[in-house]
Amino acid sequence: GAGVSQTPSNKVTEKGKYVELRCDPISGHTALYWYRQSLGQGPEFLIYFQGTGAADDSGLPNDRFFAVRPEGSVSTLKIQRTERGDSAVYLCASSPRTGVAEQYFGPGTRLTVT
Amino acid sequence: QKEVEQDPGPLSVPEGAIVSLNCTYSNSAFQYFMWYRQYSRKGPELLMYTYSSGNKEDGRFTAQVDKSSKYISLFIRDSQPSDSATYLCAMSRTGANNLFFGTGTRLTVIP
Repeated sequence: GAGVSQTPSNKVTEKGKYVELRCDPISGHTALYWYRQSLGQGPEFLIYFQGTGAADDSGLPNDRFFAVRPEGSVSTLKIQRTERGDSAVYLCASSPRTGVAEQYFGPGTRLTVT
Repeated sequence: QKEVEQDPGPLSVPEGAIVSLNCTYSNSAFQYFMWYRQYSRKGPELLMYTYSSGNKEDGRFTAQVDKSSKYISLFIRDSQPSDSATYLCAMSRTGANNLFFGTGTRLTVIP
C-alpha cells in the first residue's frame, strides 16, 4: 500500500516568508508526527496528533511554528517569518494508533531558507 | 548530555563482513527500541523494533537490548553494498508518543 507522502519534496524560500509543508499519512493511521532533521543529526520531535487534535506540541521550537490536521488525515506544518536556522528536512510519520512505538516515515520536505 | 548517544562513524566494511552498530542511552524509562535505515535524501525506514530487553532476529539483522547497561546493538550479517546507508537508533517511553533518535551511523559496505 501507499506509504506516507509529503509535498513539496523541496522548498526554497526567502528569510521572512511563510511556508506550508503537507503530509498525507498512511490510510487508516490515526497518529501523526512531525520531526525536523538537521544535517548530520537524527530527527527531533516537533508535534504529535491523535486524530484532529495536537496531543503533544512540546517540540515546536517557538510560536512561529504551527501545525493542523483538520479532518484527522492530512496535516500541514506552517512556519511564519522563516529564518535561516529553520533550514532542515521536515519529516512526517504516522502509526496505526496511539501508544504504538513503530512510526513510519515519509520522504521529507527539504526546506532551505535563503 | 543527549539522551541517546550514537557514534556517527563513518564506518566502512568489506562486503560479507559482520557489522555491529551501537547506541547508549541515559533515560531508564525507555522501553521501546527501534532501528531505522536511512538512505541519502530519503526518509527513515523502520528495520527492527523491540520491547524491553532481549534479542530479535529478522533475516540478516539482529537487534539486542541490554537495559541493565542502557546499551542497544544492531548486527548485520553478510553485509551487502545495498546496506550502505545511515542507521539510526530510536527509543521511546511507555505511554509516550515521540521518539528520541541517535545522530545516526553512516555505513559503507565496499564490494
